[in-house]
Amino acid sequence: DTGVSQDPRHKITKRGQNVTFRCDPISEHNRLYWYRQTLGQGPEFLTYFQNEAQLEKSRLLSDRFSAERPKGSFSTLEIQRTEQGDSAMYLCAADYGYTFGSGTRLTVV
Amino acid sequence: AQKITQTQPGMFVQEKEAVTLDCTYDTSDPSYGLFWYKQPSSGEMIFLIYQGSYDQQNATEGRYSLNFQKARKSANLVISASQLGDSAMYFCAMRADNTDKLIFGTGTRLQVFP
Repeated sequence: DTGVSQDPRHKITKRGQNVTFRCDPISEHNRLYWYRQTLGQGPEFLTYFQNEAQLEKSRLLSDRFSAERPKGSFSTLEIQRTEQGDSAMYLCAADYGYTFGSGTRLTVV
Repeated sequence: AQKITQTQPGMFVQEKEAVTLDCTYDTSDPSYGLFWYKQPSSGEMIFLIYQGSYDQQNATEGRYSLNFQKARKSANLVISASQLGDSAMYFCAMRADNTDKLIFGTGTRLQVFP
């Protein structure tokens, strides 16, 4: 059981639909990170939060992607108008990267 | 630019033997940290071991040790007494102290056979 909970574990969606993922650190962590991992690759940084402030966004995070952490606890990652290229594992991490969640595997059909 | 290179796509090792997974890195920052993670087929990234660039001794955590050679910019993971449950993907990652993101390598798939 990791210290970070992610929901859902799997999501299959049709191209063009919007999806939202949730990340919930079990204990309080100031820092929260989102990474994306495509098949056969290592995770790539997307964005991170210090409490509720989003401090850095990767160029990978197109305008269709938005992330929030409204109360400095859980975070959501939304993808609008999904494309097949968005199919990946989306990983959330806390505690400066020592603790990762189990990820949300997104498949866009 | 920072980069992590893992040149072994796959490795095989017999149970109870030791195995070394290679990792080289590139950075111009004097202060950085190196991480190793295990990723089973279920997908979660499990933190294994950390080495800071100024640490004088190589990091060890149970059966895991990190062979840190700063001049060669390598940070190889050594797993002693391999177990069947060690079969997984292994990722090396780096974080420079002036950034907050981890840079990952492409991983090595380790298979432990009886």
